[in-house]
Amino acid sequence: GNSVTQMEGPVTLSEEAFLTINCTYTATGYPSLFWYVQYPGEGLQLLLKATKADDKGSNKGFEATYRKETTSFHLEKGSVQVSDSAVYFCALSGPVADKLIFGTGTRLQVFP
Amino acid sequence: NAGVTQTPKFRILKIGQSMTLQCTQDMNHNYMYWYRQDPGMGLKLIYYSVGAGITDKGEVPNGYNVSRSTTEDFPLRLELAAPSQTSVYFCASSYGQGPNEKLFFGSGTQLSVL
Repeated sequence: GNSVTQMEGPVTLSEEAFLTINCTYTATGYPSLFWYVQYPGEGLQLLLKATKADDKGSNKGFEATYRKETTSFHLEKGSVQVSDSAVYFCALSGPVADKLIFGTGTRLQVFP
Repeated sequence: NAGVTQTPKFRILKIGQSMTLQCTQDMNHNYMYWYRQDPGMGLKLIYYSVGAGITDKGEVPNGYNVSRSTTEDFPLRLELAAPSQTSVYFCASSYGQGPNEKLFFGSGTQLSVL
C-alpha cells in the first residue's frame, strides 16, 4: 500500500545552515505530496505541496520537488532560522478517498 | 479566528475509564477527522466525517466512537480506556475532500492510560 518514509531526527543545525529533510514514498498511481509543519504547542499546518511529477512546492523559503523517478519529495531550505525549529511531516494523498498518509515526522532544532 | 480547537490538552485516565475528546471548528468546514500519533509513528486516521450526521471509520477505529450532530463539533469518545490508547490525538478539518485539500489541525490532546 501507499506509505511514506522520512529520515529520523532530530536534525540539529546552527542558524543559517542548509537544511535537507529526506522523504521517500511508495504509491500506486499519482498521489499529491505535502509537507506539514508543527511548531511547539500548535497543530500541524500545511507548509507546501506538489500535485504532479516535477512540480516544485515552495513557501517561507522552503522548497520540495516531486521526483517521480526517485519517488522522493525532499524538503530543503538554504538558510534556517531559530524560528524554523519544529517537527516536519511528509505526507501523500492515499488511495482511499484521498485520505492523507503521514510519515513519522522529523524534529528540527536550530541553535543560534 | 480560532480555527480548530481541541480540549483538553492533557489527560491521564485509568484503565477502564471513559472520556470524550472535544473538537470544534469555526470555519464551516464539511470534513472533519480524528488522527492519533504514537511515538515514532506517523499519524493514523481513526474516524472521519463528511458532514453533519455522517461518519465513517478510518484505519484504526477500534475502541473509539464519534458523532457529528453539528457542522462545528466532532467529539471522539473512548468507552473503556486501555493502555494501547496512550497517544497524542489530533482533530482536523477541511472544506472539501480531495488530493489538494488543505487540512487545518488542532493543537492536540496528549492522553495517557495507566
